[in-house]
Amino acid sequence: NAGVMQNPRHLVRRRGQEARLRCSPMKGHSHVYWYRQLPEEGLKFMVYLQKENIIDESGMPKERFSAEFPKEGPSILRIQQVVRGDSAAYFCASSPRTDLNTGELFFGEGSRLTVL
Amino acid sequence: AQTVTQSQPEMSVQEAETVTLSCTYDTSENNYYLFWYKQPPSRQMILVIRQEAYKQQNATENRFSVNFQKAAKSFSLKISDSQLGDTAMYFCAFMLSNDYKLSFGAGTTVTVRA
Repeated sequence: NAGVMQNPRHLVRRRGQEARLRCSPMKGHSHVYWYRQLPEEGLKFMVYLQKENIIDESGMPKERFSAEFPKEGPSILRIQQVVRGDSAAYFCASSPRTDLNTGELFFGEGSRLTVL
Repeated sequence: AQTVTQSQPEMSVQEAETVTLSCTYDTSENNYYLFWYKQPPSRQMILVIRQEAYKQQNATENRFSVNFQKAAKSFSLKISDSQLGDTAMYFCAFMLSNDYKLSFGAGTTVTVRA
């Protein structure tokens, strides 16, 4: 059973460009979460999605950031007009149905964004 | 909002010895989960151990064990017989049992010396 797959692992962008990060959850998982890790800090919650629905985006910056989890394909975290402060590791996690919630999230290996 | 505090930025331990990492948290809720995650240089987040707040028995996974003190809101991790592969950043995390958001501490860097 493949784990949570994220790509790219490393992404370099210049200020003003767009960054797209992809996440395929574990097989059988319908809940996806995005977290951001700034240098020397713990992970911070950004957004929680189910297929075709954003459930909670309270941790997302109000501008330039968006996320989706379409019916088909991976979840995408999109950052428009990147700035140097967006440089971070972005982690995706998935979980099965919440009525089976054991509190455990399964994390991908992260995507490291560097903004020049 | 829940907060998680890890007061030790760095710890160093000799191979085969024991190291204990501290974690305290703040919540007014009674039902929740606590976790320790390991982040090695590869930066992948690996779940080390998990504790349900309603369980009084401390969780154990091989060389990793916790000391869960619910009244004190303390959740320390003990790594016994430390191995070089244990070198990593360790994060304490909290989740309410009816929620889905993890709150992480700032992390403790553990270095195991040969």
